[in-house]
Amino acid sequence: ETGVTQTPRHLVMGMTNKKSLKCEQHLGHNAMYWYKQSAKKPLELMFVYSLEERVENNSVPSRFSPECPNSSHLFLHLHTLQPEDSALYLCASSQDYPSVGQYFGPGTRLTVL
Amino acid sequence: DAKTTQPNSMESNEEEPVHLPCNHSTISGTDYIHWYRQLPSQGPEYVIHGLTSNVNNRMASLAIAEDRKSSTLILHRATLRDAAVYYCILRENQGGKLIFGQGTELSVKP
Repeated sequence: ETGVTQTPRHLVMGMTNKKSLKCEQHLGHNAMYWYKQSAKKPLELMFVYSLEERVENNSVPSRFSPECPNSSHLFLHLHTLQPEDSALYLCASSQDYPSVGQYFGPGTRLTVL
Repeated sequence: DAKTTQPNSMESNEEEPVHLPCNHSTISGTDYIHWYRQLPSQGPEYVIHGLTSNVNNRMASLAIAEDRKSSTLILHRATLRDAAVYYCILRENQGGKLIFGQGTELSVKP
């Protein structure tokens, strides 16, 4: 149990669908992150939230929309995705931002048809 | 951000020590050396980090060269559960961005 949970673990969606990924951390951390891991590519940082404010947005297309309603929850809203968006989406949290250690969830495996 | 270079893959036998190398010749004085690993079907997990001195924790040891241009992650007795991709990452001032490379895929044979 890493203390960071993600749902769903697997998601298949069409290009016209709207779906959301959910992340919850039970560690009392103040910062949360979204990463994307495509096949045979390194993990890419997408977004960072610290105390519910977005502090990093790394040139991510607008079809990905993050939301952080409180310090324990992080969402990634998806709409009109492309097949190349198929990847493992990982959520992480850390005590503060910046911080030494980040704790990762198990990821959501997303397939866009 | 300074770059790290790691072998794509390594093999080890169970219960033997494993030395995972990392080259970072452009490291700056404020860069900390971090190691994470990613087990199959899981997110990455923190292993160890250091600046100049060698470091030990319950998971591994980190040996840092005197000129800091390279480092080695040491698993003292590899187990099958240590099979994972190991990432060597430089972070500015301890808490800078985690920028992952391709890592080293470690396989452990019984």
